Parts: sequence; structure tokens; C-alpha cells
Amino acid sequence: GAVVSQHPSWVICKSGTSVKIECRSLDFQATTMFWYRQFPKQSLMLMATSNEGSKATYEQGVEKDKFLINHASLTLSTLTVTSAHPEDSSFYICSARPSGKEIEQFFGPGTRLTVL
Amino acid sequence: GQNIDQPTEMTATEGAIVQINCTYQTSGFNGLFWYQQHAGEAPTFLSYNVLDGLEEKGRFSSFLSRSKGYSYLLLKELQMKDSASYLCAVSDSNYQLIWGAGTKLIIKP
Repeated sequence: GAVVSQHPSWVICKSGTSVKIECRSLDFQATTMFWYRQFPKQSLMLMATSNEGSKATYEQGVEKDKFLINHASLTLSTLTVTSAHPEDSSFYICSARPSGKEIEQFFGPGTRLTVL
Repeated sequence: GQNIDQPTEMTATEGAIVQINCTYQTSGFNGLFWYQQHAGEAPTFLSYNVLDGLEEKGRFSSFLSRSKGYSYLLLKELQMKDSASYLCAVSDSNYQLIWGAGTKLIIKP
């Protein structure tokens, strides 16, 4: 149990285009999902906390108009990188917290984004 | 501010034992996690400590001292596949994970 999927697993796009990444909890409901970004040889950086049915909470320095988050159901959150640029190339990882649980987070496999 | 410190890199020999330390200063404490991350992959859960003491799980053990703001991950009988980054993370008063920068563990034959 407690499987989280991400799609796509990798994507290459041209500068200026938008990319949508999906995060799904496959066998549990997740009121809260988290989006992280990880640059090479660095640790995970929390970008935003996504809450089902409400607006996401963004960390300081993360542009909410550039990284659009939608958490429309208890099993799906999406991150859209708008007008992507080469500096947005990174490893994006989501995690999902089972509803009613405060401690646990289950991680998706990550999405490798390369912007040309 | 909130801070998690762990060594950047460690090297150990196959079959040996290695201890990776983590110190933390956070606003509130709701437990400490250790994750393993291989290059290009997402973190995988190793252990969770919320009370002081040692938690043993096979070849891996994790220790916590809340009064000292200190934890360690102990890996025994090292195997080549244990070469990875090991991330220490603390759940703060808002149940948000605060991450260390990770320790890259290199295993040599």
C-alpha cells in the first residue's frame, strides 16, 4: 500500500512552454500533498504544500504564478511549470500525506524536467 | 532559524559499519526521519524516531536524543548497494519536514 505515482517520469521541453506534472496517490486519499525540487547534489527543497480544495501554500521565494498547483481531488495534485526556462530544469518530487495522518509522507518517483 | 546538519560525504568499506550523524535545531519536534536516496531517484523511507533511544531494523539502526538535538543512522555489514545519499529530516511543529543537505556515502570494496 501507500503508493504514489508521478507522470511523466521525465520530460524535455522548449524554453517558454508549459509543463504539467501529475502526482497521484494510488491506494489512499491524501488531503495534503507536497511538491519538492531538487537540484544536482543538493537536498530536497520544499516548493509548496498543496491542500485539497484550497489554495496551495508556497514557500518563500517560489513564484506562485510560475508554479501553478491544483489539488482538485483527494488523490491528484498537479504542478504546472509555466513559461519554463533552462534554470527550471530540475528533479521535481511530490509526496502525499494520508488523510488523517500528520506524520507520514509517501514519495512519488520524481519527474526529471529538462528545459532546452 | 531551523537547521539540520549532517556531513557532506563519508567513505566506508564493504562489510564494515558506518555511523552518519545528524544534529538539528527546529521550531518544534514531531519526529526525525532518515531516508535513502539513490542518484536520480526519489527518497525511500528508512526510519522514524520520535522517542529517545535506538530503533533497530535489520542492518540499519537509528538513534535519537531529543535533549541533544542529535540523531545517527548506523549501517552494519555494508554492501555496495548501500552507496547512496542519506537524508535526515525533522518534522517540525507544523508537521512540515525540514531537510538536511544529505550525506553521500561511498562504499569501497
